[in-house]
Amino acid sequence: DIQMTQSPSSLSASVGDRVTITCQASQDISNYLNWYQQKPGKAPKLLIYDASNLETGVPSRFSGSGSGTDFTFTISSLQPEDIATYYCQQYDNLRLTFGGGTKVEIK
Amino acid sequence: QITLKESGPTLVKPTQTLTLTCTFSGFSLSTSGVGVGWIRQPPGKALEWLALIYWDDDKRYSPSLKSRLTITKDTSKNQVVLTMTNMDPVDTATYYCAHRPTDVWGKGTTVTVSS
Repeated sequence: DIQMTQSPSSLSASVGDRVTITCQASQDISNYLNWYQQKPGKAPKLLIYDASNLETGVPSRFSGSGSGTDFTFTISSLQPEDIATYYCQQYDNLRLTFGGGTKVEIK
Repeated sequence: QITLKESGPTLVKPTQTLTLTCTFSGFSLSTSGVGVGWIRQPPGKALEWLALIYWDDDKRYSPSLKSRLTITKDTSKNQVVLTMTNMDPVDTATYYCAHRPTDVWGKGTTVTVSS
């Protein structure tokens, strides 16, 4: 089964900082990767699909890149409303797998 | 507009079977390429994918929970049902259903396993 290793598990950054989260798949998943944002008490919200495509209505400071086994999620300028936990998810083989999540906090 | 809503008991006893229903609108589960999946999240922990059923009745399960899960669909009622047997306190979680391929999620339903 495909495993997703996400890092770091948490980070603290200042408003305006560039934030990067990585996700590594245990095997080639092409670009079959989503990135979600989850705020406390809420369902996850899709931000990026197919590794690099921005979901409609999502601010352009969010971006994704990568293919194969290595993926990156970036917030170009961290805003207070971006405080949340972020998850990667692969959907390569009709089964799904999530990364362990990254909790983003303001320094 | 695609919407999904989870329903089921909020409290189950250990060893009981949990039955959750996902009622959806805005799409048909008979349309090629469409699926509905279940995901759970224990309090303070990460998301865990459980099962997925596709328009052609193809069913996929988490390997670690496969022996306890059954997913079915009722296309005429726009519903997907997940059953999980032999519930344990570690199964306490918020359970979500979600549409594939748009990845629209329901708001989730909280299930507590306790005697």
